[in-house]
Amino acid sequence: AQKITQTQPGMFVQEKEAVTLDCTYDTSDQSYGLFWYKQPSSGEMIFLIYQGSYDEQNATEGRYSLNFQKARKSANLVISASQLGDSAMYFCAMREGNTGGFKTIFGAGTRLFVKA
Amino acid sequence: KAGVTQTPRYLIKTRGQQVTLSCSPISGHRSVSWYQQTPGQGLQFLFEYFSETQRNKGNFPGRFSGRQFSNSRSEMNVSTLELGDSALYLCASSLTGEVWGSADTQYFGPGTRLTVL
Repeated sequence: AQKITQTQPGMFVQEKEAVTLDCTYDTSDQSYGLFWYKQPSSGEMIFLIYQGSYDEQNATEGRYSLNFQKARKSANLVISASQLGDSAMYFCAMREGNTGGFKTIFGAGTRLFVKA
Repeated sequence: KAGVTQTPRYLIKTRGQQVTLSCSPISGHRSVSWYQQTPGQGLQFLFEYFSETQRNKGNFPGRFSGRQFSNSRSEMNVSTLELGDSALYLCASSLTGEVWGSADTQYFGPGTRLTVL
């Protein structure tokens, strides 16, 4: 069963506007972490933001915020004031497990295009 | 502080050969994970190492193996290469990989792009 679902293969946004990238997840664990990474064409995965399953407040990091709705199992990324440099692939990921073993599962990604 | 480094960055091999990829984690990080990224399968978890022990393994054949050294550096080996092994191999490190919180986030290296001919 797919554990991380990103339903938007591609998204377009006008420069300086906000955009929301969707992510839903599936887990039976109580403890887990949710991440968003950005992958430019160079290939390197850049960490953007983290949300813990027990965090009651939505995480924010500069222009990035994570809209965490635990009951709906969604962790959408909101990018405010889009910039041309935001054009990249974005991956939602979930880390689950325990001291016996952890792994991070990634969604298929959303390619974001920022238009000037 | 230096980031995660991976060597080599690019590699071309032929079918049947074997290859070893190297990953040096961020200083102080003890957990190292490996991922394979392909256009068709996306990002898939290969294995995770902590304190020289493989702590978790993804669903890959035994041709894929790895190890971690006492300085936390890790190597990944693929034997009897197949065309389908062509991919970007990413290494990620974190402090311990077992603490819930942003302080234990995984940071990725630039990857090794392997092409199998």
